[in-house]
Parts: sequence; C-alpha cells; structure tokens
Amino acid sequence: ETGVTQSPTHLIKTRGQQVTLRCSSQSGHNTVSWYQQALGQGPQFIFQYYREEENGRGNFPPRFSGLQFPNYSSELNVNALELDDSALYLCASIRSYTYGYTFGSGTRLTVV
Amino acid sequence: GDSVTQMEGPVTLSEEACLTINCTYTATGYPSLFWYVQYPGEGLQLLLKATKADDKGSNKGFEATYRKETTSFHLEKGSVQVSDSAVYFCALSDRGSSGGSYIPTFGRGTSLIVHP
Repeated sequence: ETGVTQSPTHLIKTRGQQVTLRCSSQSGHNTVSWYQQALGQGPQFIFQYYREEENGRGNFPPRFSGLQFPNYSSELNVNALELDDSALYLCASIRSYTYGYTFGSGTRLTVV
Repeated sequence: GDSVTQMEGPVTLSEEACLTINCTYTATGYPSLFWYVQYPGEGLQLLLKATKADDKGSNKGFEATYRKETTSFHLEKGSVQVSDSAVYFCALSDRGSSGGSYIPTFGRGTSLIVHP
C-alpha cells in the first residue's frame, strides 16, 4: 500500500492570496476528506468527496473548495486567505467507513 | 449534531503505569468509533476501532470497548512506554439522522506524556 501523500509539506502565503494543496489517496480508496487542524486542536472536517462528487461538508465558508480527480487524487483550494487559515491541513482517504481513515502527514500553511 | 468529548490533558505518567483516557460521544445514528494517535509533526494514525455495541478494539496493547449504554469508548493500556507519548484523538463516523454520507467527528485530543 502506498499510503496518503500530501504536497507541499510547508507553505507560507500572504493574506488575500489563494492556495492549492494536493493529496494522493491510498490505492483502492475512493473517498477522500480534508481537515483543518489548528494548533492544539482536533481535526475539523472541511469536506469529503466520493467518486468525484462532494458528499459532505463541514462548517467552512465557500472560499474553501475542492476537487477529486478520476484517479481519486484531490485538491483543496482556499481563496482570499486570512490569518486564521494558518493551520495543518490533513487529507485522509478511506475504503469503507467502518475501517477508519488513512491520513497523510499534512501541509502546514502559514498565512502572514 | 454529533460530538465527541475527551478528557483534558496533558496526562503525565511514569513508564509502566496504567493509562485511561476517557471519551464520550453523542450521535444521532449508530456510529463506528475510533481512536487515532498523532506523533509530533505527523498526521493521524488509526490506533483501533469498534463498529458496534460491546465490540472491543485493540492494538499495540491499547484497548477500548464500545459502550452504548454509557455512550463511551475509553482508551486503556495496562503498561505505558515512553514511546507512547503522543496526542490521542477519539472519533466517530455516523450517517446521521438524515441518512446521508458518513461524516467524521473528532474530539479535541488528549496529550499523553510518559516519563522514564
């Protein structure tokens, strides 16, 4: 199994800019979800994709958007970055909801 | 909505001490329950899971039993090691009252520090 890989590992952006984070799902996993983890907090669910369709969304504004591609890789896009968007962004993929998620190591985004 | 409540940390123990990290949940459906562990600078790793009432998940000496009557899923280990120092997250996946897709909910995490 290849696991979940995320890129880049670290990123610094300026307030107001846009950012794209990328994720390659584990082989055989057709569902991917994205999370924001602020320092000292648990992961907050952003949204989830199943076979290229969004099938769940957390309490995040529309400037957080995503895509899932036919090979089940995924992108998270954030527009109009704010200082509070600084966090660790985690991607996770899943084969079945009863098996639990496989997480990537995350992208550390800093907005200055 | 669904929620997960964990005991506040940090939990500080000496090596070979017993560990219990409390976790309770509220859910509208019949959730699956999970414990994840996060080491510094890394993503979360699935530690163990239970999919129905009275199931016991276990892995690497850790155990947790799905208690529907008390809506709890406490994490236990009989003898902790320094290498167990990490942040532990309790989580659930539930379809919810609307019958839609499973949405995961995580607790805030409990930091465990084990001293030699």
